[in-house]
Amino acid sequence: AQSVTQLGSHVSVSEGALVLLRCNYSSSVPPYLFWYVQYPNQGLQLLLKYTSAATLVKGINGFEAEFKKSETSFHLTKPSAHMSDAAEYFCAVNFGGGSQGNLIFGKGTKLSVKP
Amino acid sequence: DTEVTQTPKHLVMGMTNKKSLKCEQHMGHRAMYWYKQKAKKPPELMFVYSYEKLSINESVPSRFSPECPNSSLLNLHLHALQPEDSALYLCASSLGAGDPGELFFGEGSRLTVL
Repeated sequence: AQSVTQLGSHVSVSEGALVLLRCNYSSSVPPYLFWYVQYPNQGLQLLLKYTSAATLVKGINGFEAEFKKSETSFHLTKPSAHMSDAAEYFCAVNFGGGSQGNLIFGKGTKLSVKP
Repeated sequence: DTEVTQTPKHLVMGMTNKKSLKCEQHMGHRAMYWYKQKAKKPPELMFVYSYEKLSINESVPSRFSPECPNSSLLNLHLHALQPEDSALYLCASSLGAGDPGELFFGEGSRLTVL
């Protein structure tokens, strides 16, 4: 069955430390992959996306993610956390031949940044 | 203009009320979506409109009624809701329902049903 898994519902890092948020998917065909960020009481904003071009994808706010087919992963990283990065992060996967209606979200990871 | 605008931002209604949520985009997108998001949960797809026709209806109760008057507007009509329907309702749009590009989300309408 097709699925997307985010490991860790809550990740806490110190300001300036590396941020690593994990996302794995289950599919026999490489899907389209996205990371969204949601700040409190707001909608979702796209951080970055993988659509079968370069496997290392750079996004906004210094975030990047690497698509690893062999590991079926698309982990999100940022070298140095900032207080403003505290938010909920959702990995999302499109399995359905490009139809956005088939976008499946992971359960989300709440990122806390300590001063 | 890369915004999806939702109104109202907050709505409180009783179980016998009729209200509507509105969504507007002027990016020329031809697919629009309604999602429901409960606290500490990911968004759940409710409806997808593609070229102003309902293309996906994820078995949502009939007390939620979507409407797409034109390619820029999307409404969600609410009637006889239950307290468990209280949630953040998110509208989104994309170039087309078959496009693998991003979804653009509005800021949401937070609904409280008393």
